[in-house]
Amino acid sequence: EVQLVESGGGLMQPGGSLRLSCAASGFIVSCCYMIWVRRAPGRGLEWVSVIYSGDTTDYADSVRGRFTISRDNSKNTLYLQMNSLRAEDTAVYYCAGSSFVGAFDLWGQGTLVTVSS
Amino acid sequence: DIVLTQTPLSSPVTLGQPASISCRSSQSLGHTDENTYLSWLQQRPGQPPRLLIYKVSSRFSGVPDRFSGSGAGTDFTLKISRVEAEDVGVYYCMQVTQFPYTFGQGTKLEIQ
Repeated sequence: EVQLVESGGGLMQPGGSLRLSCAASGFIVSCCYMIWVRRAPGRGLEWVSVIYSGDTTDYADSVRGRFTISRDNSKNTLYLQMNSLRAEDTAVYYCAGSSFVGAFDLWGQGTLVTVSS
Repeated sequence: DIVLTQTPLSSPVTLGQPASISCRSSQSLGHTDENTYLSWLQQRPGQPPRLLIYKVSSRFSGVPDRFSGSGAGTDFTLKISRVEAEDVGVYYCMQVTQFPYTFGQGTKLEIQ
């Protein structure tokens, strides 16, 4: 079964750090475009970051310089290192993969990140 | 950045009746490879997003044929021919033609 499973969410104080993981099974994270998307309470989906060919990366302006996307091919896992967390980073974070060009067809269940003092 | 504007933001629909959601882009979503990378996703309550339609009008595997997508350039539409109870949720258009990827604000489909 093809599956993406996120972990690493939790409660963190402002200014703190968290690392989210997205473990894949039945799917090779290194092959394809992989993204992180978040949904803050009461709001819509927001794209956060992408990693693609040659481990090229890009970020939303709201997280650039604070978040880092990466993948470990040996563990078939995608990561999102989140530093200098702010209250507005509170959201459910989803990883997603594109098994074919032009759309993200594989989604994890999400992990909740709460940033609060 | 490409801005996607969805209308309506809320859509009360009677079971068995059609529903339509519009997504307008601030610029053309045509890619240099001649594809248009506009997708529609459904997010049911408590669930992750689910891909329904990709490249404007291609229905993803397992998606019921009551869902259809159309459009070109900057104007796109998702149609549900006959709404069923399981269709309740929030629908998003998403463009992956250009970075940063962007989503529409979401349209909440409710049964009235």
